[in-house]
Amino acid sequence: GAVVSQHPSRVICKSGTSVKIECRSLDFQATTMFWYRQFPKQSLMLMATSNEGSKATYEQGVEKDKFLINHASLTLSTLTVTSAHPEDSSFYICSARAWVQGMLQETQYFGPGTRLLVL
Amino acid sequence: AQTVTQSQPEMSVQEAETVTLSCTYDTSENNYYLFWYKQPPSRQMILVIRQEAYKQQNATENRFSVNFQKAAKSFSLKISDSQLGDTAMYFCAFIRAAGNTGKLIFGQGTTLQVKP
Repeated sequence: GAVVSQHPSRVICKSGTSVKIECRSLDFQATTMFWYRQFPKQSLMLMATSNEGSKATYEQGVEKDKFLINHASLTLSTLTVTSAHPEDSSFYICSARAWVQGMLQETQYFGPGTRLLVL
Repeated sequence: AQTVTQSQPEMSVQEAETVTLSCTYDTSENNYYLFWYKQPPSRQMILVIRQEAYKQQNATENRFSVNFQKAAKSFSLKISDSQLGDTAMYFCAFIRAAGNTGKLIFGQGTTLQVKP
């Protein structure tokens, strides 16, 4: 149980284009999902918290208009990198917390990540 | 604000031996959860073990166990009988129990190399 998928796993795009990354909870409902960015051999950096049916909460320094987050259902959150530039190249990871018996669990389950390369 | 510190950027261990990864944290909270996550070369984050702060008993999952010292704010991970598949980056993480803000606070990570 508690499987999170991400699509695509890898994407290469031209500078100036937009890229959408999907994060799905496959076997549980996730009212709260998280988006992270990770550079090689570094820790995960939280970008934003995605809440189903409401606006995402962004961490300080993260451009809201650059990284659009939509959490339209209990199992799907999307991250759109708008007008991507080479400096946006990175590894993006989503995670989700599960509701079990009416309680939001503390454990976060992670997707496999998306490697974005902007040329 | 909570912080998590992993002071060992890199470690290595011989296959079948035991290794301990250290983690310290700082918080004024009394109730919280601590985690160890493993990130192998595939980069998939995998939950290794979880500890609830109000439980004094150290968590154990097969070859993985923790030494949780609440007063010292220390949360080390012991890997027994190390296997080649344990080669990965290991992250210690903290989350408050109250408030449901859900933010995991990660340490810097420790890269573990298991040598044959």
